[in-house]
Amino acid sequence: SQQGEEDPQALSIQEGENATMNCSYKTSINNLQWYRQNSGRGLVHLILIRSNEREKHSGRLRVTLDTSKKSSSLLITASRAADTASYFCATLRMDSSYKLIFGSGTRLLVRP
Amino acid sequence: GAVVSQHPSRVICKSGTSVKIECRSLDFQATTMFWYRQFPKKSLMLMATSNEGSKATYEQGVEKDKFLINHASLTLSTLTVTSAHPEDSSFYICSAEAGTGNQPQHFGDGTRLSIL
Repeated sequence: SQQGEEDPQALSIQEGENATMNCSYKTSINNLQWYRQNSGRGLVHLILIRSNEREKHSGRLRVTLDTSKKSSSLLITASRAADTASYFCATLRMDSSYKLIFGSGTRLLVRP
Repeated sequence: GAVVSQHPSRVICKSGTSVKIECRSLDFQATTMFWYRQFPKKSLMLMATSNEGSKATYEQGVEKDKFLINHASLTLSTLTVTSAHPEDSSFYICSAEAGTGNQPQHFGDGTRLSIL
């Protein structure tokens, strides 16, 4: 399969709680990116972390990358109902193809 | 920010019809555009990579004669689903990239294709 794996597949939390999503991948990467998709829409880029970085923050988002374990996590703090969406990790392979390989996604539901 | 416009957003047509989907980068020049297919509640599957002025590179298992891709300019790529059948019904999404891969891709809003 060209895809990585994400867990959990679905996550339901109360507004105000933190949400953590994990992503594992298979090959060596150039960078790893997280995207958000609202139902029936395109993807919105959230954050990009390079292979030589270990942690990155953007507002309420915190991303970690462990290249030795080939895994990444996305933490959304103080979640809001508007954070309800599907979240995908995507890895850029270390070749010249510039292709993104998407994970299977986590469907997040934030209950008001 | 970088904006990618995808049109149409929804198509419903009869079996055997050919459908063209356009993907435009509105405020930047896209050296590379990508076409994805997404089934309900599933991830994005890359169909092909499109570079301006050259033939598209198709992923394994994607029929190039079925899914015709044209990248005529640095701001426009089109995907034509030829002689569409019900099994081609899906959500098709394009993305565009201005740089060399170490930048995010910018996605269109997708096209919901329904073949009756």
